[in-house]
Amino acid sequence: GNSVTQMEGPVTLSEEAFLTINCTYTATGYPSLFWYVQYPGEGLQLLLKATKADDKGSNKGFEATYRKETTSFHLEKGSVQVSDSAVYFCALSVGGSNYKLTFGKGTLLTVNP
Amino acid sequence: DAGVIQSPRHEVTEMGQEVTLRCKPISGHNSLFWYRQTMMRGLELLIYFNNNVPIDDSGMPEDRFSAKMPNASFSTLKIQPSEPRDSAVYFCASSLSAPNTGELFFGEGSRLTVL
Repeated sequence: GNSVTQMEGPVTLSEEAFLTINCTYTATGYPSLFWYVQYPGEGLQLLLKATKADDKGSNKGFEATYRKETTSFHLEKGSVQVSDSAVYFCALSVGGSNYKLTFGKGTLLTVNP
Repeated sequence: DAGVIQSPRHEVTEMGQEVTLRCKPISGHNSLFWYRQTMMRGLELLIYFNNNVPIDDSGMPEDRFSAKMPNASFSTLKIQPSEPRDSAVYFCASSLSAPNTGELFFGEGSRLTVL
C-alpha cells in the first residue's frame, strides 16, 4: 500500500535558522508528492508539489525535491520566520486514485523570535 | 472568492446525540472530500464524492456515520448516535477533478467534542 513517513516533531527553531523536515514514502506506482501547511485554527493548504522524479517544488521560500532513488521529498527553507510556525504535512497520490491523498502525520514547527 | 465553508466550527454534544456537520464547497469544484483529524491517527479520508456521487466511502468508520451530497453546493456528514471516540476535527475539502492536480482546498474544520 501507500504510506508517508515524516520526521516526528515538534521542531523548534530560532528565526533565520535553516529548516529541514524529512519525508519518505512508499507507493505502488509513480506518485505525485505534496507538502501541505496548516496554520493554527485553519484548514490545510497546498504549499508545493512535484509530479515526477527530480522535479523541485517551491513556494514562499520553501523547496522540496522529488528523489525517486531515496523515495524522499524533504522540505527545506533557508531562513525561517515566526510566521512559518505551523504544522507541515507530506502527502502523496498515485495514478488511478489520484483523488486520494495519503498524508503523513504532520510535523509541528515553532519558530521563536 | 469564498473558500470552503464549514459549519458549525465547534460542536459539543453528549454521547448518543445526533451530530450533523455541513459543508459548502468552492463554486465550480466537482470533487468533495470529508477528512477526520485526530492526534492519534492523523488525517483520515472518510469519503470522496465526484459530481455529487459517492465514489469511495471505505474510510467511513461504521454505520453510525453517513454522508450525503444532494447538490453541487452542499454536503453533510452525520453521526448517529455519537460516541466520545468520535471527538475530532472534521475537515471538508473540495477540488477540480480534471485535470487533477492533487490540490485540495480545505475548510477551517468543525471541532467535535462528544462527552
